[in-house]
Amino acid sequence: EAQVTQNPRYLITVTGKKLTVTCSQNMNHEYMSWYRQDPGLGLRQIYYSMNVEVTDKGDVPEGYKVSRKEKRNFPLILESPSPNQTSLYFCASSLDAGTLSTDTQYFGPGTRLTVL
Amino acid sequence: AQKITQTQPGMFVQEKEAVTLDCTYDTSDPSYGLFWYKQPSSGEMIFLIYQGSYDQQNATEGRYSLNFQKARKSANLVISASQLGDSAMYFCAMRVRNAGNMLTFGGGTRLMVKP
Repeated sequence: EAQVTQNPRYLITVTGKKLTVTCSQNMNHEYMSWYRQDPGLGLRQIYYSMNVEVTDKGDVPEGYKVSRKEKRNFPLILESPSPNQTSLYFCASSLDAGTLSTDTQYFGPGTRLTVL
Repeated sequence: AQKITQTQPGMFVQEKEAVTLDCTYDTSDPSYGLFWYKQPSSGEMIFLIYQGSYDQQNATEGRYSLNFQKARKSANLVISASQLGDSAMYFCAMRVRNAGNMLTFGGGTRLMVKP
């Protein structure tokens, strides 16, 4: 089954304790992205990657890191989480490498993170 | 910069009736795509329908259709014959060719279908 998976689905942690949220897709997609969703703000892009070893900042990159060492994986790293990073996080992927405006992004199931 | 506006925070519709969810957008790029996603209470984001800026006809996918009015910069989602399972948050989103494939989302509309 073609899908985007994220782990963990739920996480409660404390301020300053490094964490990683994994994202994996099995569709051989070039493009991957991370979003956070907060009430009233919709989804905002954190980072994106157009291909292996190519990453770039989205709208709200502060406090986050990403890496794209393999095409299928795009982990999100919070080096020192803070309470304002409590949110619902989505990973997404799409086929193209950024030249088409028409390609559909498919989302993972979401990771609900709480930072105390 | 791109912007998506959804002016209806919440809406009710009677089961089996049609409903229109509003979406207006702003971009100076002539090449863009408009998307609608559904987010049920379980949290996942489900792709519903897509409209390209150069498409001559309005997109349709089953009970979903997109009322695309380019001059007005609007891309309203029409759901026909509403079902109880349509109760969810609905997000309008846009991608433009020259913005790194980033999806810009509106704030969403919560649709509640009444039996």
